[in-house]
Amino acid sequence: NAGVTQTPKFQVLKTGQSMTLQCAQDMNHNSMYWYRQDPGMGLRLIYYSASEGTTDKGEVPNGYNVSRLNKREFSLRLESAAPSQTSVYFCASSGQGLGEQFFGPGTRLTVL
Amino acid sequence: GESVGLHLPTLSVQEGDNSIINCAYSNSASDYFIWYKQESGKGPQFIIDIRSNMDKRQGQRVTVLLNKTVKHLSLQIAATQPGDSAVYFCAEKEANQAGTALIFGKGTTLSVSS
Repeated sequence: NAGVTQTPKFQVLKTGQSMTLQCAQDMNHNSMYWYRQDPGMGLRLIYYSASEGTTDKGEVPNGYNVSRLNKREFSLRLESAAPSQTSVYFCASSGQGLGEQFFGPGTRLTVL
Repeated sequence: GESVGLHLPTLSVQEGDNSIINCAYSNSASDYFIWYKQESGKGPQFIIDIRSNMDKRQGQRVTVLLNKTVKHLSLQIAATQPGDSAVYFCAEKEANQAGTALIFGKGTTLSVSS
């Protein structure tokens, strides 16, 4: 099992450009999450999907949209990138039960 | 909103020492806590978890203690090794949250010197 995979690993955008970050998990998990991590900070939840077909806002959803394409895939879209969105983005998934989350390797995004 | 925090941003220890990383939380409704380890350039990795109906849980070289009276969580690492150098995050789950979204603290950087 690959666990949680994310693409791309690195990306540089200009202000105003759009892009989609991809995430997939092969653990048959119901719930998936997108976090951002800024220097010296913990992870902050952007959006999550408790189950296929549902999405909900987290702590910092402004400027982002998500799509739960199917049970395996959960994408994060930046419609018009801003320098404040420069960050490392992590996708995670969790199965039934208490909520241990498994994380992907992250996407390092720089917006110029 | 209520959030999870850590007492110290950095901790430096010698190889072989025992390490204790502390975390304070403010939401008495939280019922599940996790410790994650994050190495440079990688995603967080699960270390150990504990439910609110427990006070202590042990893993391999790690122990998590939960004191609900003072809302305090700690991670103890026995015989700390250079490979334990990383950022450690505590996280909590609130019982009234939809799904299983976690709230993370800011992290403690553990540095182990030989």
